[in-house]
Amino acid sequence: DSGVTQTPKHLITATGQRVTLRCSPRSGDLSVYWYQQSLDQGLQFLIQYYNGEERAKGNILERFSAQQFPDLHSELNLSSLELGDSALYFCASSVRLAGARGTDTQYFGPGTRLTVL
Amino acid sequence: AQKITQTQPGMFVQEKEAVTLDCTYDTSDPSYGLFWYKQPSSGEMIFLIYQGSYDQQNATEGRYSLNFQKARKSANLVISASQLGDSAMYFCAMREGLSGGYNKLIFGAGTRLAVHP
Repeated sequence: DSGVTQTPKHLITATGQRVTLRCSPRSGDLSVYWYQQSLDQGLQFLIQYYNGEERAKGNILERFSAQQFPDLHSELNLSSLELGDSALYFCASSVRLAGARGTDTQYFGPGTRLTVL
Repeated sequence: AQKITQTQPGMFVQEKEAVTLDCTYDTSDPSYGLFWYKQPSSGEMIFLIYQGSYDQQNATEGRYSLNFQKARKSANLVISASQLGDSAMYFCAMREGLSGGYNKLIFGAGTRLAVHP
């Protein structure tokens, strides 16, 4: 158990709908990352938050948005869903910024499997 | 651009034998971190081992060791005394950037390891 929790574990919805994925980082971790794992694209970085602020953006679609709340949990909102959005969405957390040398290892949650029908 | 290459889509190993999973990377940044993660069929991503670009010695964690050859830009994972529970997908990842807190991971395509009794 990594200490990162994600809800829900599974989500089945229809095209055009909107869903929210939730993540609670490990206790003490300030950074939260979202990744998407799909068969055709592999594991791709979406977005990073650090202590409530957006830090880095990857290949995140405009239909997707995220935020990190004062209690450090994060939500990933996916709207106008398409069949191609079906994937495993991971949240990961780490302690601090990688400004100093150190592992700053990212620990992953169990993922939310999204199926768009 | 940063890139991770895992050239072995699938590997087989006999139980109790050692196996090496290949990973090569490409980056122009002198500071970077390399990670290996395990993804069993249940889907979670489990952190295994880390190697920093300035680390003088190869990283080891129990039965896992990382054969880091900086000049060749390779970071192969060695699993000694394979166990049936090692059957999983293995991902090599690189942390892109150490300054400014941009800490996203770039993943390879993964290698599926099957351990035979």
